[in-house]
Amino acid sequence: GAVVSQHPSRVICKSGTSVKIECRSLDFQATTMFWYRQFPKQSLMLMATSNEGSKATYEQGVEKDKFLINHASLTLSTLTVTSAHPEDSSFYICSASVEGEVDTQYFGPGTRLTVL
Amino acid sequence: QKEVEQDPGPLSVPEGAIVSLNCTYSNSAFQYFMWYRQYSRKGPELLMYTYSSGNKEDGRFTAQVDKSSKYISLFIRDSQPSDSATYLCAMSKAAGNKLTFGGGTRVLVKP
Repeated sequence: GAVVSQHPSRVICKSGTSVKIECRSLDFQATTMFWYRQFPKQSLMLMATSNEGSKATYEQGVEKDKFLINHASLTLSTLTVTSAHPEDSSFYICSASVEGEVDTQYFGPGTRLTVL
Repeated sequence: QKEVEQDPGPLSVPEGAIVSLNCTYSNSAFQYFMWYRQYSRKGPELLMYTYSSGNKEDGRFTAQVDKSSKYISLFIRDSQPSDSATYLCAMSKAAGNKLTFGGGTRVLVKP
């Protein structure tokens, strides 16, 4: 099956710093990648949709200047949390759509971000 | 009101029992329906995928969609302790479109 990886799996940073999270599709080309945020015991909240070579589409209420998304290639998308604050602490998960497969998304293992 | 409603549980069953999960939704535009399993601190794993109304079976898992009632179900037969996880329903309006998730149901299968 399709495999999606994320790096790092866990990161702890100081308030005010920026953190970059990578999402890679390992064995397929993903024309679309999605970024989600998940709080403890809650469901996934879509933050943005990222298409290779174009600007990301952000969901309402998500600050595009704070959560920078770059989809540089068909196998890599990055999420940068800029000037992180404790309230940004969360579980960030990416997913990728497989070209040619109808409406399935394969999820990465997630990145646990803790901002001190 | 949320677009997709799902009982958070926890749902506790003895090993070998049938686990019954369901979601209701309000938007009739949803056409694609999925069930994901998520273990603690891991990413969701796709279990079942169904287009429009009908049933689909895969091993111990059966997914049902009733679009007229805006109701979807997932049944797990012969449940095992390894099935203990959070189960998320998800749906979308078109192929390749963004997913709308239910809140997830935590399932505990006791040996």
